[in-house]
Amino acid sequence: EIVMTQSPATLSVSPGERATLSCRASQSVSSNLAWYQQKPGQAPRLLIYGASTRATGIPARFSGSGSGTEFTLTISSLQSEDFAVYYCQQYNNWPPKYTFGQGTKLEIK
Amino acid sequence: QVTLRESGPALVKPTQTLTLTCTFSGFSLSTSGMCVSWIRQPPGKALEWLARIDWDDDKYYSTSLKTRLTISKDTSKNQVVLTMTNMDPVDTATYYCARIVVAGTDAFDIWGQGTMVTVSS
Repeated sequence: EIVMTQSPATLSVSPGERATLSCRASQSVSSNLAWYQQKPGQAPRLLIYGASTRATGIPARFSGSGSGTEFTLTISSLQSEDFAVYYCQQYNNWPPKYTFGQGTKLEIK
Repeated sequence: QVTLRESGPALVKPTQTLTLTCTFSGFSLSTSGMCVSWIRQPPGKALEWLARIDWDDDKYYSTSLKTRLTISKDTSKNQVVLTMTNMDPVDTATYYCARIVVAGTDAFDIWGQGTMVTVSS
């Protein structure tokens, strides 16, 4: 099973600043990597797929990069609504065996 | 507009079988590339993928849970059903269904709001 490791577990950033979240895969997942945002009491929302493609309706301040085993989600200028938990997820296996990271909580500094 | 909605019991007893239904609209599970998955999330913990069913009725399961899970679909009703046998308190979680479009995003692009299931005697 491919293990996804996110860092840090908690990130404290001030509004308007940049946030950088990391995700590492235990083996290469090529670019088959997605990022999700989850707010309390809500379902996750797809932000990024294919490691770097924004999903429909996602603001341009969200960007993804990386391939292979190292990935980054960057939020260029944090808005109040961006404080949430972020998960990475790989979908590289065949047959499908999806795995998620343990999440990074982005909190207001 | 694509929507999914989970339904099922809020409380089950240990050893019982859980049956959850995902009712969706805005797409058809008979269309090539369309898939529906189940994912769960214990309180305060991370997401865990459970199962996936495809437009052609192919089915895939989590390795650790495959002996307990069955996924099926009723295309005419726009529903996907997940059964999980031998429920245990550690299975207490919010259960989500989500759509995947193969050769599209390939990720879980639309999610239901989730249904909380508590396992307790």
